[in-house]
Amino acid sequence: DAMVIQNPRYQVTQFGKPVTLSCSQTLNHNVMYWYQQKSSQAPKLLFHYYDKDFNNEADTPDNFQSRRPNTSFCFLDIRSPGLGDAAMYLCATSRERGANVLTFGAGSRLTVL
Amino acid sequence: AQKVTQAQTEISVVEKEDVTLDCVYETRDTTYYLFWYKQPPSGELVFLIRRNSFDEQNEISGRYSWNFQKSTSSFNFTITASQVVDSAVYFCALSELDDYKLSFGAGTTVTVRA
Repeated sequence: DAMVIQNPRYQVTQFGKPVTLSCSQTLNHNVMYWYQQKSSQAPKLLFHYYDKDFNNEADTPDNFQSRRPNTSFCFLDIRSPGLGDAAMYLCATSRERGANVLTFGAGSRLTVL
Repeated sequence: AQKVTQAQTEISVVEKEDVTLDCVYETRDTTYYLFWYKQPPSGELVFLIRRNSFDEQNEISGRYSWNFQKSTSSFNFTITASQVVDSAVYFCALSELDDYKLSFGAGTTVTVRA
């Protein structure tokens, strides 16, 4: 039973063409996270939502934005993708913040041409 | 400052060998949590274990075991009798009590050859 579902699994876009990645969860968790993972690197937190409260990491570029219209869904918008934004984007959820176990989706791999 | 160090970038073993993954962490908090996650080639990170700083008991789960030593700030992970399905990237991570963030180590790629 998939609990955190990301779509699409693979996304190819052109330099500068906006992209939206989606994440849905069936766990009813309060917190949803977006991580960026570049090849052979650790996941890097971009931002997270605690319920409707948006929390941006200080070093997340303005090019990255997020929306959480309801508990189940969260979107990652990349307004003008550059070549350096090619990565795996991982969505994760947790019941609460702070040392909670994260449940990850399978990821969306973004290619920028 | 890096909070979690996984010094081994890659480990390659033959099936049925044991493999130990090292994890050294750094924190000033007295209350913190340590995690291990597995990332198979499919990409999804899978939770393996969470341990809080007050529980130094070692844990065994099937072929997996974890050795937590506060004196050396280490939380090492051993796979006994490795199998090809164990091939993955393994991440150690730290969460301090008042911080929502998981600080991941750089990961160790384990390749188990048949």
